[in-house]
Amino acid sequence: DQQVKQNSPSLSVQEGRISILNCDYTNSMFDYFLWYKKYPAEGPTFLISISSIKDKNEDGRFTVFLNKSAKHLSLHIVPSQPGDSAVYFCAASALNNAGNMLTFGGGTRLMVKP
Amino acid sequence: DTGVSQNPRHKITKRGQNVTFRCDPISEHNRLYWYRQTLGQGPEFLTYFQNEAQLEKSRLLSDRFSAERPKGSFSTLEIQRTEQGDSAMYLCASSPPQGARWNEQFFGPGTRLTVL
Repeated sequence: DQQVKQNSPSLSVQEGRISILNCDYTNSMFDYFLWYKKYPAEGPTFLISISSIKDKNEDGRFTVFLNKSAKHLSLHIVPSQPGDSAVYFCAASALNNAGNMLTFGGGTRLMVKP
Repeated sequence: DTGVSQNPRHKITKRGQNVTFRCDPISEHNRLYWYRQTLGQGPEFLTYFQNEAQLEKSRLLSDRFSAERPKGSFSTLEIQRTEQGDSAMYLCASSPPQGARWNEQFFGPGTRLTVL
C-alpha cells in the first residue's frame, strides 16, 4: 500500500506562473512532511518542510500548505523559473518512529517553459 | 561540509555476483539511512543507523542484503548473489544529531546498480 501518493506524474508550467504540486497521504501517524527536489544524476535535495502543528510554511518562492483533515499537502512555487524544472518528491515521517525514516511519494516531474 | 558521498557512482555486475557500496556521511551526522529507488518511483527506506547501531530494517532488506557502520562513520551496503530485480539507484542519507535541521535528511548522489 502506498502511504504517500503524488497523483500527477508530470506538470508543465509557463515561466513566471505558479506551479502547484500536490501530495496525499493515508497514515495518520505522519506528523512531519518534506519536499525534495531531484535533478538527473543527483541525489534528492531538501527544499522545504512543515510540521503537523502548522498549516503553512513559506521560504522565498516556495510555500507548503498542509490540510491535516484531508491528509493533503501542496507545494506552491511562485514565480516559477526554468531552473525549477526537476522531479519533486513529497516525503513524510512520524517523529516517534526510530530514526524518522522517510516515506516518499512517486514524484512529479515539473517542466517550466521559458 | 563536503556533503554525503557515495562510491562507486555506477556498478554493472552479472547476476549471482556480490557487490558492495560505500557511503560517507557528513562528518558530524550520527544518523545514516539507506534507500533504494527504482525507475519512476520514489526512494524506499531500507535501513537506518544511529552511530554504529543498526536500529531499523525494512522488510525490503532481504537476507541477501547486509549493511554495516562499524565505527559510526562510513557505512557499507552489500548485496550477495545479485538478482536482476536488484537493479536500482541506492541512495544514502545522513542527519545531524540536533539543531534546526534535525529532521532533514541530506542525500548523496547515489550508486546506480545494473545487474545483467
